[in-house]
Amino acid sequence: AQSVAQPEDQVNVAEGNPLTVKCTYSVSGNPYLFWYVQYPNRGLQFLLKYITGDNLVKGSYGFEAEFNKSQTSFHLKKPSALVSDSALYFCAVRDVDSNYQLIWGAGTKLIIKP
Amino acid sequence: KAGVTQTPRYLIKTRGQQVTLSCSPISGHRSVSWYQQTPGQGLQFLFEYFSETQRNKGNFPGRFSGRQFSNSRSEMNVSTLELGDSALYLCASSPRQAHSGSGGYEQYFGPGTRLTVT
Repeated sequence: AQSVAQPEDQVNVAEGNPLTVKCTYSVSGNPYLFWYVQYPNRGLQFLLKYITGDNLVKGSYGFEAEFNKSQTSFHLKKPSALVSDSALYFCAVRDVDSNYQLIWGAGTKLIIKP
Repeated sequence: KAGVTQTPRYLIKTRGQQVTLSCSPISGHRSVSWYQQTPGQGLQFLFEYFSETQRNKGNFPGRFSGRQFSNSRSEMNVSTLELGDSALYLCASSPRQAHSGSGGYEQYFGPGTRLTVT
């Protein structure tokens, strides 16, 4: 069965340091991978996606993610964290076997400390 | 382009009542999906509509229903409300095409409707 795992409920990073939010997935076919961010009392905002091609994907607000097929991972990264990056981050995957329905991770709370 | 809009933003209902939530997608988007978000269960898929037809359905009881109109606006209805239905209900639209063999399209979310059942 398709699944997405975000192994960390919360990640704490000092402002200016690099950040990584982890995501691993399990699908039977080729994955379509997504990252979304949710600020308090708001809906989700699309950050970036991997469809095919270059394993390093760049997205909004300076975020990027690296697709690793052998490790079935799609970790979200940013070279220098900002306090305003503090939010809830969701990883999601879609493949043909899920009838293109998005399968969501549980979310990771990112806290950036000044 | 205007984003996805949801009305109302906040709602308080009593157990046993029913509720209807509304979603207007981004202009030109024909696919609308609904999600329930709770602290304990996270994001759970309710259903997806495309051109007035339900295309996907999550594992929710029949009390949860939806529909889509010819202008792509969508409504979801919850009948006989239970305390456990208290949640943030999110609507998302996408530019998914009817016969697309690709899953590479992203969804655009509205701000949600916060439903509290007392």
